[in-house]
Amino acid sequence: AQRVTQPEKLLSVFKGAPVELKCNYSYSGSPELFWYVQYSRQRLQLLLRHISRESIKGFTADLNKGETSFHLKKPFAQEEDSAMYYCALSVNTGFQKLVFGTGTRLLVSP
Amino acid sequence: DTGVSQDPRHKITKRGQNVTFRCDPISEHNRLYWYRQTLGQGPEFLTYFQNEAQLEKSRLLSDRFSAERPKGSFSTLEIQRTEQGDSAMYLCASSLVGAPVPSYEQYFGPGTRLTVT
Repeated sequence: AQRVTQPEKLLSVFKGAPVELKCNYSYSGSPELFWYVQYSRQRLQLLLRHISRESIKGFTADLNKGETSFHLKKPFAQEEDSAMYYCALSVNTGFQKLVFGTGTRLLVSP
Repeated sequence: DTGVSQDPRHKITKRGQNVTFRCDPISEHNRLYWYRQTLGQGPEFLTYFQNEAQLEKSRLLSDRFSAERPKGSFSTLEIQRTEQGDSAMYLCASSLVGAPVPSYEQYFGPGTRLTVT
């Protein structure tokens, strides 16, 4: 069965501190992984996907197939990073069903 | 606003009533998805359409749920004989798949929050 696990419901850091939001997945096929973000009073939106290997708003995420992980990292957190972050796995071929984790709320304090 | 829109944004209904939600995707998008999100959980896939064809349905979608996408444009999700367990946020998303410029990204709407009393 496909599953995405985000072990932390809440991650609280101070501005300027490094951030790592953990994501582990379970999938027998070739994984396609994403991070989605939801800022307060806004809709869910894509932050980044593993294939693009880009840095968005200072965030990066590396797919580690050996550890079945796709952790989201940022070296210096900003207050505007405070949001709900969801890790998601696309199953089947193509970009069809997304399986989401339960989400991690990131709070960045001044 | 050219994003995905959903109507209504909030719906309160009594147990046993039928409800219908509407989703208008981004106009050129050919795929449309429905998800359900309960408190403390991430969105859970319900079903998706490629144009007007419903290609996959989750086991979460019981016989009381039905979704349509006539003419491949807007979609409706109907819940018959609502139960308290149906209380959730219902999210719609759309994407563009195929030539000439495929997009991997699903664009989400604001959701419809259903409360069954």
